[in-house]
Amino acid sequence: NAGVTQTPKFQVLKTGQSMTLQCAQDMNHNSMYWYRQDPGMGLRLIYYSASEGTTDKGEVPNGYNVSRLNKREFSLRLESAAPSQTSVYFCASSEGRPQETQYFGPGTRLLVL
Amino acid sequence: GEDVEQSLFLSVREGDSSVINCTYTDSSSTYLYWYKQEPGAGLQLLTYIFSNMDMKQDQRLTVLLNKKDKHLSLRIADTQTGDSAIYFCAERGTGFQKLVFGTGTRLLVSP
Repeated sequence: NAGVTQTPKFQVLKTGQSMTLQCAQDMNHNSMYWYRQDPGMGLRLIYYSASEGTTDKGEVPNGYNVSRLNKREFSLRLESAAPSQTSVYFCASSEGRPQETQYFGPGTRLLVL
Repeated sequence: GEDVEQSLFLSVREGDSSVINCTYTDSSSTYLYWYKQEPGAGLQLLTYIFSNMDMKQDQRLTVLLNKKDKHLSLRIADTQTGDSAIYFCAERGTGFQKLVFGTGTRLLVSP
C-alpha cells in the first residue's frame, strides 16, 4: 500500500496563477482532509470530505476549492494564487470510528511569488 | 473555541528521557494524539489515548493524560538522535472528525 500520495511535491506559482493539488489514498478510507502548515501555527484545516460526494469548510477555506472525485481522490484548487498561500499543504485520510486516526501524505510545498 | 498549546522547543542528550507537554481547552475531547514530523516529511501517528485513560505505554513511549487539568504529555525513554523531529499534539474536537493540532514541539537530541 502506498498510503496517501500527493502531487506535485513542490510548485512555484506567480500571483494570480491557478493550480490543483492532487491527493489519493489506497486505504479505502471514507474521510479525507486538506491542511496547510505554516511556521509557528501548526496545521490548519482547509476543507474536508466526510464521505464520497460531500465536502465541508474547515478553519481557513477562503481562496480554495475542493473536489472529491471519487472515494480515493480529493483535490485542492487555488483559482488565483496569492503570496499568503505560500505554505506546505498536507492531505490526510482517516480510518473508521472510533478513534478516526488520520494518515498523512508527504506534503506539497507551494511558493507563490 | 478549541485550542491546543505546546512549548516550541526541547533539547536533550542522547540516552536521556524527553518529556513533551501539551495543554488543550476542549473538555469534551474523546481522543488525543501524538504525531511526529521528520524534516521534509508528512506527519506520522505515534500513539493516541482515549479520554477515559490516564496512561498508555507503547515501547519507549509513555502518554500521560490529566483530564482535570487538560494536560497531555509524551515521554520518550532512552531518547536517540533519530527521535529528533517536531512532535504535534492533537485533540479530536467537537466537530465531526475534526482534529485540532498544537503548534508542535521541536525536539533536538544531541550525541
